[in-house]
Amino acid sequence: DQQVKQNSPSLSVQEGRISILNCDYTNSMFDYFLWYKKYPAEGPTFLISISSIKDKNEDGRFTVFLNKSAKHLSLHIVPSQPGDSAVYFCAASALKGAQKLVFGQGTRLTINP
Amino acid sequence: GAGVSQSPSNKVTEKGKDVELRCDPISGHTALYWYRQSLGQGLEFLIYFQGNSAPDKSGLPSDRFSAERTGGSVSTLTIQRTQQEDSAVYLCASSLSHFPLMAFFGQGTRLTVV
Repeated sequence: DQQVKQNSPSLSVQEGRISILNCDYTNSMFDYFLWYKKYPAEGPTFLISISSIKDKNEDGRFTVFLNKSAKHLSLHIVPSQPGDSAVYFCAASALKGAQKLVFGQGTRLTINP
Repeated sequence: GAGVSQSPSNKVTEKGKDVELRCDPISGHTALYWYRQSLGQGLEFLIYFQGNSAPDKSGLPSDRFSAERTGGSVSTLTIQRTQQEDSAVYLCASSLSHFPLMAFFGQGTRLTVV
């Protein structure tokens, strides 16, 4: 039972354009969402998060949007840079009583020069 | 070091053997997590420690898997009688207890069972 789904295994974007990574979830108890970025042979690193009381959170070139009614979130990267090429994981948690993150399968983003 | 350290980086073992994977969390981080990533899959939660106790072991896939944490620091994940389906990257993460979701991950141990 995949509670967090990233339906696009890969995405290729031209440098300077916008990258949009999508994530869907099924558990309505999730109230905190995070994006992690992973380079080969390294552990995931935290990128940006959003609480369910918000619908948007922005940090520099990265913006996360949350649509609770659709149980959908997305990560926008603009402008995309070659160093953004990595695997991006969406993760979710139910803050009350839960200390674990439920991850999606990841999307491999490739930024072409 | 400043980050989460895992050893070994790579481990190849024969089916049926036991393996131990080690995690050194960031100093001062009381929460410690083990996840694994199988080929083409997302990260799968295994176990969570707060201090030396493990309030959530719900992700351990079978009784062949166990983990302990001593002194509120180093943790060891043990897999007994390894099977080929245990092959995966095992990731450890740690965080400050008051903000458990902002976990810092180690580089992982790639386990291959042949």
